[in-house]
Amino acid sequence: TQLLEQSPQFLSIQEGENLTVYCNSSSVFSSLQWYRQEPGEGPVLLVTVVTGGEVKKLKRLTFQFGDARKDSSLHITAAQPGDTGLYLCAGERAGKSTFGDGTTLTVKP
Amino acid sequence: DAGITQSPRHKVTETGTPVTLRCHQTENHRYMYWYRQDPGHGLRLIHYSYGVKDTDKGEVSDGYSVSRSKTEDFLLTLESATSSQTSVYFCAISEGDREVGYTFGSGTRLTVV
Repeated sequence: TQLLEQSPQFLSIQEGENLTVYCNSSSVFSSLQWYRQEPGEGPVLLVTVVTGGEVKKLKRLTFQFGDARKDSSLHITAAQPGDTGLYLCAGERAGKSTFGDGTTLTVKP
Repeated sequence: DAGITQSPRHKVTETGTPVTLRCHQTENHRYMYWYRQDPGHGLRLIHYSYGVKDTDKGEVSDGYSVSRSKTEDFLLTLESATSSQTSVYFCAISEGDREVGYTFGSGTRLTVV
């Protein structure tokens, strides 16, 4: 049973476009993290959200935690080739972490 | 980030042989984890440790054992490697509870032939 569903699975866009990726669940999480992973490397933590409705910004990236703490979104404004990578969400619940399968983003110059 | 290193980075081994992967941290974090990453399955927790000699099983622990004799080192052993254990293995550390997120190593790509 996949607790965290990420969509879309793959996304290919042109440089300068905006995009949103989603992380959804039927379960409530105490916190949720977003990571970016590049080929041949481990995931790198981008942000942690803990409060329902919370919005965090990291330069051109905007992260939102759903009011019910069951879902999250990542919005990238004016995507750049350097944003290319695998974006993973991970939810914390009852002392355990669950990772989604990720969204593979390709930004073409 | 040199705070966590994994060795080896790549390994090819034969079915039935024991294999040990090493994770070394310089951050003095209490919590250490071993994950495997496979297409279609995301990252799955194998074992974790919350202190020296304190370890516990994750969701996919069968066929794996771990040891932590020092704060800085966390070893993952495949008792008798099988082809289903071909994967990319990541070590992660956390300074507190998991709500603060993980710092991951660069991974070990293991192929069992």
